[in-house]
Amino acid sequence: TQLLEQSPQFLSIQEGENLTVYCNSSSVFSSLQWYRQEPGEGPVLLVTVVTGGEVKKLKRLTFQFGDARKDSSLHITAAQPGDTGLYLCAGEGTGNQFYFGTGTSLTVIP
Amino acid sequence: NAGVTQTPKFRILKIGQSMTLQCTQDMNHNYMYWYRQDPGMGLKLIYYSVGAGITDKGEVPNGYNVSRSTTEDFPLRLELAAPSQTSVYFCASSYGTGWANIQYFGAGTRLSVL
Repeated sequence: TQLLEQSPQFLSIQEGENLTVYCNSSSVFSSLQWYRQEPGEGPVLLVTVVTGGEVKKLKRLTFQFGDARKDSSLHITAAQPGDTGLYLCAGEGTGNQFYFGTGTSLTVIP
Repeated sequence: NAGVTQTPKFRILKIGQSMTLQCTQDMNHNYMYWYRQDPGMGLKLIYYSVGAGITDKGEVPNGYNVSRSTTEDFPLRLELAAPSQTSVYFCASSYGTGWANIQYFGAGTRLSVL
């Protein structure tokens, strides 16, 4: 089993603050994906990173893949209530399997 | 384009009963997956398939069975339901871009075993 640990597990912040979520593993992944999941729904893909050291920006969200392709981070600038949700990272391992992190539950208070 | 469709959305089972969770996709994706998600947690892979006629075990396959007779359908079977199988089940399909697989998820089936 290739474990992915996310931190923090829970995060409650005020609107307008910045935050960073971390996704760490001892395993190497061919790609790493970040998802956002709202209550009662399935995860929705935000971004896929493939190259070690890669940085991708999606409006106020910045994603980074570690140089060794074992870890990743998600940074949100000026968080808004609409950012509230469960953020999941998932690493693509061998045999087309995906391994999901433990999740970070974000609440942005207006 | 419906994407990934799961039925039923909710189900309550008694211990020892059996049921099949249905999953169908209309995107002609080769890869399909079944996950379970316990409250406040990430997803754990139960079974996956890389194409019709091919299935493989994931991290937590015990108590489940799958089949993949067509590209579109990937049903998950619970033979003897146990309380430990109370969870939310998600089906996903994916396609390869050449550099990564992109997954699309269904809305989930919420199962309670009492």
